[in-house]
Amino acid sequence: EVQVVESGGGLVQTGGSLRLSCAASGFPFSGFWMHWVRQAPGKGLVWVSRINGDGSTTTYADSVQGRFTISRDNAKNTLYLQMNSLRVEDTAVYFCVDDYSNLGLRYWGQGTLVTVSS
Amino acid sequence: QSVLTQPPSVSAAPGQRVTISCSGGWSNIGNNYVSWYQQLPGTAPKLLIYDNNKRPSGIPDRFSGSKSGTSATLGITGLQTGDEADYYCGTWDSSLSGVIFGGGTKLTVL
Repeated sequence: EVQVVESGGGLVQTGGSLRLSCAASGFPFSGFWMHWVRQAPGKGLVWVSRINGDGSTTTYADSVQGRFTISRDNAKNTLYLQMNSLRVEDTAVYFCVDDYSNLGLRYWGQGTLVTVSS
Repeated sequence: QSVLTQPPSVSAAPGQRVTISCSGGWSNIGNNYVSWYQQLPGTAPKLLIYDNNKRPSGIPDRFSGSKSGTSATLGITGLQTGDEADYYCGTWDSSLSGVIFGGGTKLTVL
């Protein structure tokens, strides 16, 4: 059975930091690109970042470039998102998801809520 | 404002067919694969269509995808009340060097 479980969200003040984790199981984690996608309350999906299977290639949305860092530990089947210099507009549910085929994002976790307050 | 344009809402009666459009440009839909997602209230998105028109295992053939030029379309036949959800298209944008999603379409089954 496939499981994708995000954790690490919470309430933080502007300028603060959080580290999100995503534990995956039930599929060959190291063989797939992984993504973070976020969704502000009542809003649509917004892509945040992606990382390839061996962790050597990363891409970021302009809105988080230089502030967020994506990484993975394939030995632990875990994806991470280090978020620094957080802003109110980063408030959202953050989802972890694998890239099955050409950005067909397949296995989504339940998400973890990040709230940034001023 | 999303780079990919979807109608904010569509509606149809149970048993009927509905289509949801997703309009973009040559830097995104025109030269990249399109995926479609269903998000039921309070849940995570679910992949319905990938590679323009392929269905993951477990997705019924009531759902279909197509692409022509810089637009893509999701079709749903035999509408059920359980299909009421938000639907999103997504693809890569070569100009932005990132993944983009449409603004979402709320489907109401009357």
